[in-house]
Amino acid sequence: NAGVTQTPKFQVLKTGQSMTLQCAQDMNHEYMSWYRQDPGMGLRLIHYSVGAGITDQGEVPNGYNVSRSTTEDFPLRLLSAAPSQTSVYFCASSYSRVRNEQYFGPGTRLTVT
Amino acid sequence: GQQVMQIPQYQHVQEGEDFTTYCNSSTTLSNIQWYKQRPGGHPVFLIQLVKSGEVKKQKRLTFQFGEAKKNSSLHITATQTTDVGTYFCAENPAYSGAGSYQLTFGKGTKLSVIP
Repeated sequence: NAGVTQTPKFQVLKTGQSMTLQCAQDMNHEYMSWYRQDPGMGLRLIHYSVGAGITDQGEVPNGYNVSRSTTEDFPLRLLSAAPSQTSVYFCASSYSRVRNEQYFGPGTRLTVT
Repeated sequence: GQQVMQIPQYQHVQEGEDFTTYCNSSTTLSNIQWYKQRPGGHPVFLIQLVKSGEVKKQKRLTFQFGEAKKNSSLHITATQTTDVGTYFCAENPAYSGAGSYQLTFGKGTKLSVIP
């Protein structure tokens, strides 16, 4: 099992550009989430999905879109990048609502200039 | 929503010394998960505590859930350089069957070990 994979590892964007961060898992987990990590702020939830076709907002959803067309994939779209979106982005998956220990991907380090 | 406060924010210890990080809440926690993140890495799940007063051990790591389920601690005995990283606690409010799916993470304790 590859676990949770994310691409790209690093990305530099100019303000106003858009891009998609890719996330895939091969553990057949129903639940997937996107977090951003900023110094001193811990992990903050952006969006999550409880199954294919179902998504919901987390703590900091503004400026981001998600979709979940398959169990395996959960891409995160930045609509119009801003410097405030400079961060490290982690995708995570978990088995169920109760067995919710998170399996994190390796992360994408995004810089917006 | 529920907030979990972690202290200290940073801790520097000499190799061989013990280390403890605390996770506190003003309200009763459903459960507590602990994660470790190595520098430049991603968080890795360590353990979940669900019962009042629960104590679990993983080699030199001891995890404890308070009797009132309002606090938790992670204690490392005789730290090694491999223990370097940031330790996070998180609550899973959905564990009790109700509440949001969203985990609430503490801000973490960054541990440095001086060889």
